[in-house]
Amino acid sequence: AQTVTQSQPEMSVQEAETVTLSCTYDTSESDYYLFWYKQPPSRQMILVIRQEAYKQQNATENRFSVNFQKAAKSFSLKISDSQLGDAAMYFCAYRVSSWGKLQFGAGTQVVVTP
Amino acid sequence: NAGVMQNPRHLVRRRGQEARLRCSPMKGHSHVYWYRQLPEEGLKFMVYLQKENIIDESGMPKERFSAEFPKEGPSILRIQQVVRGDSAAYFCASSQTGTGIYEQYFGPGTRLTVT
Repeated sequence: AQTVTQSQPEMSVQEAETVTLSCTYDTSESDYYLFWYKQPPSRQMILVIRQEAYKQQNATENRFSVNFQKAAKSFSLKISDSQLGDAAMYFCAYRVSSWGKLQFGAGTQVVVTP
Repeated sequence: NAGVMQNPRHLVRRRGQEARLRCSPMKGHSHVYWYRQLPEEGLKFMVYLQKENIIDESGMPKERFSAEFPKEGPSILRIQQVVRGDSAAYFCASSQTGTGIYEQYFGPGTRLTVT
């Protein structure tokens, strides 16, 4: 069975600074997809970034980037130049196929201080 | 293009009553997923449906829960004889069909409270 682990319940960062959220996963599959979702207080789930396991290049989306280590089964998210609007719960998620279910970690609460 | 719509946004039921949660996918999307989020936890997969078909229900509790996605109309998640432990936020997501990798777009969720 696949599992997704986020070991940091909460991370605090100052505005304009950088924070890195960790995620590890367990799978026997060689081809899969990894995601980071953001859930602000509104509870709306928002896709932040996606990584295909067959791609060696780490995905980036503006201030968000990932460090994907396939052998270590690690998928961390880096938020650069943090903004107050980045404050939210961040969930790491795994999917084994193009259309299958998402498996989520427990989440990391990001607190941004002025 | 309107996003994924869920209604009601908030639903209060007494123990033993039935709860019906509705999800209208984004236009052009024919895949629907239901997830449940208990307080202070991540989302847990419940069921994956295509029009008139249940593709994966491995996350659905064996009793009291059912889901459908008819040819016409929204997808429905039905919980019979609700209990306090059913209190949670229920999220619906939809995605396209075809070849390639398709994102799941989430609705705003339905918060169910069982009193």
